[in-house]
Formats: sequence, structure tokens, C-alpha cells
Amino acid sequence: GQSLEQPSEVTAVEGAIVQINCTYQTSGFYGLSWYQQHDGGAPTFLSYNALDGLEETGRFSSFLSRSDSYGYLLLQELQMKDSASYFCAHSGNTGKLIFGQGTTLQVKP
Amino acid sequence: GAGVSQTPSNKVTEKGKYVELRCDPISGHTALYWYRQSLGQGPEFLIYFQGTGAADDSGLPNDRFFAVRPEGSVSTLKIQRTERGDSAVYLCASSATGGGSGANVLTFGAGSRLTVL
Repeated sequence: GQSLEQPSEVTAVEGAIVQINCTYQTSGFYGLSWYQQHDGGAPTFLSYNALDGLEETGRFSSFLSRSDSYGYLLLQELQMKDSASYFCAHSGNTGKLIFGQGTTLQVKP
Repeated sequence: GAGVSQTPSNKVTEKGKYVELRCDPISGHTALYWYRQSLGQGPEFLIYFQGTGAADDSGLPNDRFFAVRPEGSVSTLKIQRTERGDSAVYLCASSATGGGSGANVLTFGAGSRLTVL
């Protein structure tokens, strides 16, 4: 089957760095994605790793290790507006994107 | 259109009624997805269309739920004999190509919040 595990909550202070981990099980694998969702908003795409290694997009980076079935999202120079839920997701070989339960990030001043 | 559009944004109905939720994907996107999200949970997959056909409907919870995409663009999610447990935000998303890798980059609509009294 397909499943993803991520921490339910993370708290950090403004300006800090935070890492949100994700482990997964899947039959077939097409990469790991990350989405951000603010309260009352739609999920928005942040990053996609198809291959092992680090992908950097501004303050956000995402890492994938396929041999460990593990990835993480790294957020640097945290801002208050980064307070949101973050979801890892993968599509396996089915063409449907399966989401984790989400990590709620609270950024404090 | 420029983004994924969903209507209505809010729908309140009574138990047992029929409901239709509409999704207008990004123009040219061949793949369209329906998800359901309850408070504090991740989006739960319902159904995925590639063009006009349902490529995977394994997430539909039971036969009260049905979705169509007759012309390969707009899709309608139909829920018969609604139950209180159907209350959730129904999200629609589209992607340019779908499939294994294409499914990872989705553009979501703002969702339709369904409340069944």
C-alpha cells in the first residue's frame, strides 16, 4: 500500500531553520512532493524531488533519499507567514497523489 | 482559465439530499483530481480523470458518490442521499499531464465546503 508519516506539529521562532521529515511506503515511486496549506486555503505546490538529493527554491529546500524512503522539507529564515500546514505526498505507480496527514508549523515571534 | 475554479464555495444541505459540486480546471490540463479534506487531515484521494475517462476511482467511498468529466474539461462530483459524515471540504486539482510523475505537481482550487445537517 501507500502511506506517508510526518510529525503532527512543529514549533519554531522567527528567523530560525526548521526541518519537517517524511517517511513513506509505496509500491512504485515517482518522487516526493511538498505542499503548503494556510488555514482556510487551498494546498499549494512547493517542491518535487524525483531523484535523490537536495532541491532548493529560495528559502525552501527539499531532500529525498529513495534508498531510505525518506525526505524532508527545510525552511530557512522563518517568517510569521510560514505558519501553515505542510504535506508530503507521492504518487506511487497509480497516477494518484497520496498525501500525508500534514505537519502544522507554528512560527513564534 | 488562469486557475482551478470550484463552485459553489459553500454548500449547506440536509441529510438525504442530492448535491453537485463543479470544477473548472486550468485550460489544457488533461488530468483532473477530486480530493476530500476533513479538519486537521490531509487531502484524501477520491477520483482521477485522464481526459474524459476515470483513470482511478478507487477513493470513492461508496456508490453514493459519482463524478463525470464528459468533455475532458469541467468535472462534476455528484453525491446522492447525503449523510452527515459527508461534511468536508471537497478539493479539485488539475495537472498538465497526470500519470506517475505528472501527478506530483497539482494546482488546487479553493474547494467547496459541504455541510450536511
